[in-house]
Amino acid sequence: AQKITQTQPGMFVQEKEAVTLDCTYDTSDQSYGLFWYKQPSSGEMIFLIYQGSYDEQNATEGRYSLNFQKARKSANLVISASQLGDSAMYFCAMTTHTGANSKLTFGKGITLSVRP
Amino acid sequence: GAVVSQHPSWVICKSGTSVKIECRSLDFQATTMFWYRQFPKQSLMLMATSNEGSKATYEQGVEKDKFLINHASLTLSTLTVTSAHPEDSSFYICSARERTLVPYEQYFGPGTRLTVT
Repeated sequence: AQKITQTQPGMFVQEKEAVTLDCTYDTSDQSYGLFWYKQPSSGEMIFLIYQGSYDEQNATEGRYSLNFQKARKSANLVISASQLGDSAMYFCAMTTHTGANSKLTFGKGITLSVRP
Repeated sequence: GAVVSQHPSWVICKSGTSVKIECRSLDFQATTMFWYRQFPKQSLMLMATSNEGSKATYEQGVEKDKFLINHASLTLSTLTVTSAHPEDSSFYICSARERTLVPYEQYFGPGTRLTVT
């Protein structure tokens, strides 16, 4: 079984500063993928970044980077230069590479508020 | 590319009636579709997984007779909430996967907000 843990309470960050959202995971599989999604108040799930378990380098996508520490089983999301539009709920998720029906397991999410 | 639509975006229905939610992949063939339910301020809970042309696989605790899922084609899956009750009020989100796209990535629809009065 796989598990995603997001324990931070609501996070606050000043506009233009960087923020780190924590995520730890647990799985017995060697091959897996880690995702971060953003969900604004409109409800749509916006894909931010992906990290494969065998990727040697940390994933980056624009202002988003994933701090992947495999031994610690952590996959923290770093948002640089926060913007007001970054205020949303953020979900960490993982999937194991076990075929076409591999499922996403989500953490409970973290609410990020960006202050002007 | 990889756009998933849902219809309706919101619906209000009376207790005891049924409501159907459609999920469409607009520019790819969705070999697998997933249905999630999300209560306010909570995470997404997977309800079921469906493959085109076969019966859906429901997660433990999800009533298959209440939440009917039909994946009739490679671009359309429907979720029918039968005999809806106020406790079924929730945000329902579908996602779709196409085997030849980025492996294991799911593309999410915009969600459907269901309110049962």
